[in-house]
Amino acid sequence: NAGVMQNPRHLVRRRGQEARLRCSPMKGHSHVYWYRQLPEEGLKFMVYLQKENIIDESGMPKERFSAEFPKEGPSILRIQQVVRGDSAAYFCASSPPSLGFYEQYFGPGTRLTVT
Amino acid sequence: QKEVEQDPGPLSVPEGAIVSLNCTYSNSAFQYFMWYRQYSRKGPELLMYTYSSGNKEDGRFTAQVDKSSKYISLFIRDSQPSDSATYLCAMMDSSYKLIFGSGTRLLVRP
Repeated sequence: NAGVMQNPRHLVRRRGQEARLRCSPMKGHSHVYWYRQLPEEGLKFMVYLQKENIIDESGMPKERFSAEFPKEGPSILRIQQVVRGDSAAYFCASSPPSLGFYEQYFGPGTRLTVT
Repeated sequence: QKEVEQDPGPLSVPEGAIVSLNCTYSNSAFQYFMWYRQYSRKGPELLMYTYSSGNKEDGRFTAQVDKSSKYISLFIRDSQPSDSATYLCAMMDSSYKLIFGSGTRLLVRP
């Protein structure tokens, strides 16, 4: 049973470009969460999605960031017009349906570098 | 004041030692308590989770929660060099957002 998959693992973007990060949850999991880990800081919640629904985006920056989890395909975290401060590791987690939200399993992360 | 406080370490111990890792928190609404292990440049790996106060044991790992003191611990018995990693505590209230500590770096010396 494959774990949470994220790609790309490393992404380099110039300032002003767009970054697209993809996440495929574990088989049977229907809940997806995105977290960001800035250098020398802990993980911070960004957004919680279920299929075709954004449940909570309270941790997302107000501008330039968006997320989706379509009916088919992976979840996408999109960052438009990237700035140097967006450089971080972005982790996706998934959990089982129903009451399993406290069992969040993380992917390997995408390390975004903005030059 | 951060919601979750965790000593960043590093904590260096000899192989075979008992390791004690701790977190304190301020939000009395937290009900679920987790410990994750993160190797360098990898994703966090869920080690254990507990609900409310009490102890939970899994192999060499024991998690303790004391809600009255707002204090949680992870004990590692017979520590191995392969246990060298950053250990993250995380907590959750009735929602689904994990609130993480900043992590403690552990080094187990052969």
